[in-house]
Amino acid sequence: GAGVSQTPSNKVTEKGKYVELRCDPISGHTALYWYRQSLGQGPEFLIYFQGTGAADDSGLPNDRFFAVRPEGSVSTLKIQRTERGDSAVYLCASSTQPGQGASTGELFFGEGSRLTVL
Amino acid sequence: DQQVKQNSPSLSVQEGRISILNCDYTNSMFDYFLWYKKYPAEGPTFLISISSIKDKNEDGRFTVFLNKSAKHLSLHIVPSQPGDSAVYFCAASVLGSARQLTFGSGTQLTVLP
Repeated sequence: GAGVSQTPSNKVTEKGKYVELRCDPISGHTALYWYRQSLGQGPEFLIYFQGTGAADDSGLPNDRFFAVRPEGSVSTLKIQRTERGDSAVYLCASSTQPGQGASTGELFFGEGSRLTVL
Repeated sequence: DQQVKQNSPSLSVQEGRISILNCDYTNSMFDYFLWYKKYPAEGPTFLISISSIKDKNEDGRFTVFLNKSAKHLSLHIVPSQPGDSAVYFCAASVLGSARQLTFGSGTQLTVLP
């Protein structure tokens, strides 16, 4: 498809388990972002990739969270030893390279992966 | 410390009337502002944006106003349509940065037929 694709759409896991969430950005988009949206809140920034490298991971809440983008396209968000407080919708977004183009602020979001930690 | 605030969690408007959604920010470094719309079970979609060098930007039924001195922006939708019913998020960023957006908590708009 033409949009940002995220899998799984829903994931239910038990406390302490390991989880991977996948994001397939729009073809040609070099920038990729992960956000987390908790109930009743707006999306909160987690990490930003420019190409293969994590240019800004200041939003990751702790070292249980890690993300990779090995080939500069698909990204995986990895959560170790999940806790109930990790339950949220994890949103991935992509965009053209920052600073280029007229729409300098537009991110294209996927539908999100809803994570529930029991 | 919420840098972008949407103080109204919900708003109901009659079809055909004007909807006004408000947003306040505290970080004076923000110089680019966006509105996103979100339907249930979908990701946010970009609606309209404004740079701090402007005080108004219009796109069809949607107009965003920016008051830098008050650190306030608003989204006007006129006329409102039932299909506009959604959660609206205000977001802000610093141009020239990596477009890391800071979002408000959203306002649920319901347009009544």
